[in-house]
Amino acid sequence: DQQVKQNSPSLSVQEGRISILNCDYTNSMFDYFLWYKKYPAEGPTFLISISSIKDKNEDGRFTVFLNKSAKHLSLHIVPSQPGDSAVYFCAASWGGSSNTGKLIFGQGTTLQVKP
Amino acid sequence: SAVISQKPSRDICQRGTSLTIQCQVDSQVTMMFWYRQQPGQSLTLIATANQGSEATYESGFVIDKFPISRPNLTFSTLTVSNMSPEDSSIYLCSVVPSGPGATQYFGPGTRLLVL
Repeated sequence: DQQVKQNSPSLSVQEGRISILNCDYTNSMFDYFLWYKKYPAEGPTFLISISSIKDKNEDGRFTVFLNKSAKHLSLHIVPSQPGDSAVYFCAASWGGSSNTGKLIFGQGTTLQVKP
Repeated sequence: SAVISQKPSRDICQRGTSLTIQCQVDSQVTMMFWYRQQPGQSLTLIATANQGSEATYESGFVIDKFPISRPNLTFSTLTVSNMSPEDSSIYLCSVVPSGPGATQYFGPGTRLLVL
């Protein structure tokens, strides 16, 4: 049973436009969510996180939105840049609105930003 | 932040043999974990490496197959024992430097191919 789902395996956007990556989860116990970016032959790089007590967190070009009632979160990248082209993973954990380190990952979405 | 190195970066092994992967962190960390990413799959948590005590394994993973050591707060090893082609994966070390709620970092991974 896939508890964290990224239903879009790939996404292509034009440079300068907005990229929206989506993630759904089924386990209502999850209370901390993270987004990672991964280039080939490298480990995942942390981008941004959000705890369940918030519905939005922003860091530069990256914003994560959390809709607890819908069990849905999204990552917005504005403006998108060619260097953003990578695989993006959504991850979730539980343990009191903090990261316990024991993450459940989605399948990933490959983002391509075209110049 | 935390800088994580892993050795080896990649290896090709024969079935039935064992491989030990090392993870070194540039600072003392509270929580350390081992993850696996099988080909075309997402990341899956293998175990929590506990300093000075036995590791805590997730469902589907056992100590006889994946023995883990953590002699101090900056170092851990994962051994993949009696390997089969199904063990071909990327193995990643991950740390949470400052306890629950902190950012989680991943190492570059060890790419293992079992023939």
